[in-house]
Amino acid sequence: GAVVSQHPSWVICKSGTSVKIECRSLDFQATTMFWYRQFPKQSLMLMATSNEGSKATYEQGVEKDKFLINHASLTLSTLTVTSAHPEDSSFYICSASALYGYTFGSGTRLTVV
Amino acid sequence: DAKTTQPTSMDCAEGRAANLPCNHSTISGNEYVYWYRQIHSQGPQYIIHGLKNNETNEMASLIITEDRKSSTLILPHATLRDTAVYYCIVSPSNNAGNMLTFGGGTRLMVKP
Repeated sequence: GAVVSQHPSWVICKSGTSVKIECRSLDFQATTMFWYRQFPKQSLMLMATSNEGSKATYEQGVEKDKFLINHASLTLSTLTVTSAHPEDSSFYICSASALYGYTFGSGTRLTVV
Repeated sequence: DAKTTQPTSMDCAEGRAANLPCNHSTISGNEYVYWYRQIHSQGPQYIIHGLKNNETNEMASLIITEDRKSSTLILPHATLRDTAVYYCIVSPSNNAGNMLTFGGGTRLMVKP
C-alpha cells in the first residue's frame, strides 16, 4: 500500500534554532501533501497544503515565514520550523492523498527547550 | 470546522464488537465518509471509507444510513491493540486533493 515516510520521528532543539522535517512518498507520487500539527490531547489541525512546484497554502493563523514548506518533487515535501520557540513544541504530521484515501506519516515529536 | 459529531469516548470489552457512531447531517452529495484511527503518538491510520453503500474490509465494516446523515464503524472483534482515537471525517474524493478536517474523534478503550 501507499507509504509516507516521515523523519525524524522526534527531535529536541534549542530555542532560536531551525528544524527541518522531511516527508517522502515511497511508492507513489504525491502531487499534494498536507501538514498538520497536534498538541497534547487535541485533534490534528491543518497547517498548510503543499503542492509540488508551487507555493504552499497556509491556514489562517499559521505564519508562513515561520513554517517554511518546500515541495520540490513529487515524492518529497519538507517543513522547516524557523527560529523555534517552546510554544512550537508539538507533534507534526504530514499526509498525502493515495489510491485508497489519505496516507499519513508517522509524525515528528518536536520539543523546543 | 469539522462536519461530524462523535461521542468523546467509549469502552468495549475485548473480543466483543465495537460500534462507533458518527453523525454527519450536513454531508454533501459528493462527500465520502472516511474513518481513521490514531494510536498514541503515531500518525493516523486509514481504516475504511464509503459513499453510500455499506463497505467491509479486513479491518472493519462501515454502515451508512440511507439518508447518509450518519454512519457506524464496526470493529467485529475488538482487541487491546484497537485502543485508539477514531476519527470520522467527511470529504470529497481524495483525487481532488482536498484536505481532511479532523474533529475530536472517539477515544475507544478496549478492556480485557
